[in-house]
Amino acid sequence: QSMLTQPPSVSGAPGQGVTISCTGSSSNIGAGYDVHWYQHVQGTAPKLLIYRNTLRPSGVHDRFSGSKSGTSASLAITGLLAEDEADYYCQSFDNSMSGWVFGGGTKLTVL
Amino acid sequence: QLQLQESGPGLVKPSETLSLSCTVSGGSISRSGFYWGWIRQPPGKRLEWIGSFYYSGTSYYNPSLKSRVTMSADTSKNQFSLKLTSVTAADTAVYYCARENACTSTGCYRDFNKYFMDVWGKGTAVTVSS
Repeated sequence: QSMLTQPPSVSGAPGQGVTISCTGSSSNIGAGYDVHWYQHVQGTAPKLLIYRNTLRPSGVHDRFSGSKSGTSASLAITGLLAEDEADYYCQSFDNSMSGWVFGGGTKLTVL
Repeated sequence: QLQLQESGPGLVKPSETLSLSCTVSGGSISRSGFYWGWIRQPPGKRLEWIGSFYYSGTSYYNPSLKSRVTMSADTSKNQFSLKLTSVTAADTAVYYCARENACTSTGCYRDFNKYFMDVWGKGTAVTVSS
């Protein structure tokens, strides 16, 4: 089954940094398709955080950055703030289903 | 500012059809260059893409749901809708609508696999139960 794998949770103290990984396969990230990242606080609309692997939409702080290599991608968050507590999801295209696949989500806790 | 709002019944009986609408404000669904998509999240599970469609008719559906899904648009109401037939408890989820965009400051792509979901609704919870 096509899927992207993320760690269930990460945590960090205010001011510190964390990295969230997203591991795919040869039918999605490894095939060269872009990775997008979303921030989601339950009860609100998911927010686009990073698109096309490294690009930030207008209004997203540069504390958030994305990278991609091989069959994996990463989201880095520096200078953690309490407001960064949320679930983070990666997304990519999968050519075995000709559609979008999401990671399982990573819950960020700011200690 | 573009906003999306999902609406529909919160409770659907097994074997019936789930019908949801997404009302778009601050922009037209018939503007070229955008796909409009549906995504859901069952309790405790990951986001699952349901399908995406272009106002002129081109559609892409998740193969696992394709036989039960229909998407359409009502441009007069600036809404697009989702119909999911023969629902079971496994279809219980929060359903989101989203705009899919392929344009950046440097230009636009046409391939569906270059799109990204840049605006989402807050979601609507649907429970399938008798």
